[in-house]
Amino acid sequence: QVHLVESGGGVVQPERSLRLSCAASGFDFSTYGMHWVRQAPGKGLEWVAVIRFDGSNKYYADSVKGRFTISRDNSKNILYLQMSSLRAEDTAVYYCARAGGTSWPDFDYWGQGTLVTVSS
Amino acid sequence: NFMLTQPHSVSTSPGMTATISCTRSSGNIANSYVQWFQQRPGSVPNIVIFEDDERPSGVPDRFSGSIDSSSNSASLTISRLQTEDEADYYCQSYDNNTWVFGGGTKLTVL
Repeated sequence: QVHLVESGGGVVQPERSLRLSCAASGFDFSTYGMHWVRQAPGKGLEWVAVIRFDGSNKYYADSVKGRFTISRDNSKNILYLQMSSLRAEDTAVYYCARAGGTSWPDFDYWGQGTLVTVSS
Repeated sequence: NFMLTQPHSVSTSPGMTATISCTRSSGNIANSYVQWFQQRPGSVPNIVIFEDDERPSGVPDRFSGSIDSSSNSASLTISRLQTEDEADYYCQSYDNNTWVFGGGTKLTVL
């Protein structure tokens, strides 16, 4: 079955960088777009970024544009989120989720999430 | 970019029906599909409605979705409420390479 496992979270100081990973299994990763979504403690869901199945197009929320970079390695079935110039307001659980297509919906499968805490 | 506005909370009793609204701030609600997610405390979001009114397999038929162009809003209706339905619910839609979630509604069943 579909399995998404995020890793790379932790405590990081403001203005530093961190890279998250999402290991995918149970489906043909190279044919699916992928999202990152985050959830600050006690708050709602916020879409962060999306990447097309082949990495050809990437889109970002205004709140992270210019600071975060989404990428993927289809040979390893891994999705990445490189985060730089981190701020306190980036503190959140970061989820990866599958993007939709012509016959399946967006966000049909989610990982368990990885917590990023930005604090000095 | 548009916003999706949901009521902060809805409270009702077991066996009753709850309706959660999701109003789009700009652009036509019918232009892009609306999806709904359930998130129980400590759990990952789970899709309960996609493409405005479709239910994924495994989601009870007590869950239904609709859109209303006159109010530019979508609704999630849960009938015959059970205590296990108590959760946060989020609507979500898309436009111009931007995916947007509503602020979430806490459904209390008591």
